[in-house]
Amino acid sequence: LAKTTQPISMDSYEGQEVNITCSHNNIATNDYITWYQQFPSQGPRFIIQGYKTKVTNEVASLFIPADRKSSTLSLPRVSLSDTAVYYCLVGDFMNTGFQKLVFGTGTRLLVSP
Amino acid sequence: SAVISQKPSRDICQRGTSLTIQCQVDSQVTMMFWYRQQPGQSLTLIATANQGSEATYESGFVIDKFPISRPNLTFSTLTVSNMSPEDSSIYLCSVEGLPGELFFGEGSRLTVL
Repeated sequence: LAKTTQPISMDSYEGQEVNITCSHNNIATNDYITWYQQFPSQGPRFIIQGYKTKVTNEVASLFIPADRKSSTLSLPRVSLSDTAVYYCLVGDFMNTGFQKLVFGTGTRLLVSP
Repeated sequence: SAVISQKPSRDICQRGTSLTIQCQVDSQVTMMFWYRQQPGQSLTLIATANQGSEATYESGFVIDKFPISRPNLTFSTLTVSNMSPEDSSIYLCSVEGLPGELFFGEGSRLTVL
């Protein structure tokens, strides 16, 4: 599994756009990039997954450059309720059956009024 | 999606005792996963449980300490045996959704005195 590196913490204010970058320099050709969100006292929740370029859903956007050695989770106009820990995971999820997910340290996002 | 219920949601236990955590899923699943999240830390996979076979444990976790049962396709238990304060953690049950996607229960917060 590719090792990932994220900032330990980030601070933002309500209404701002937040971009959390994850480095995965040794990502393999078949690896996908997945992000999870974890609120206090809850289990992690799947946010978004992508392979290249850009993926967008109702929660976030995921930007992946051509070399795929990093990815950026973008949260538009954050609110207080977006305060959570965000995890970036990388793995060959599609082609080898289920692959156990290894969570890194994550990024603790604090959104203030 | 899958809805996962865990019991107990929290408990306070005495050193040397054992506690069994139950995980119920609202649909049949092949694999179930048990994670541990120590205070302020990321998630660590304890074991993978398939119905009808012995659980597969990750490095650092052994069956004598964390016996797991998987009697059917919707239920699993994790027992934390001979507990010590170092076992104080949140224990999370999860199941597979789409590739790269896990659904988690709310977790069982265990405090060992």
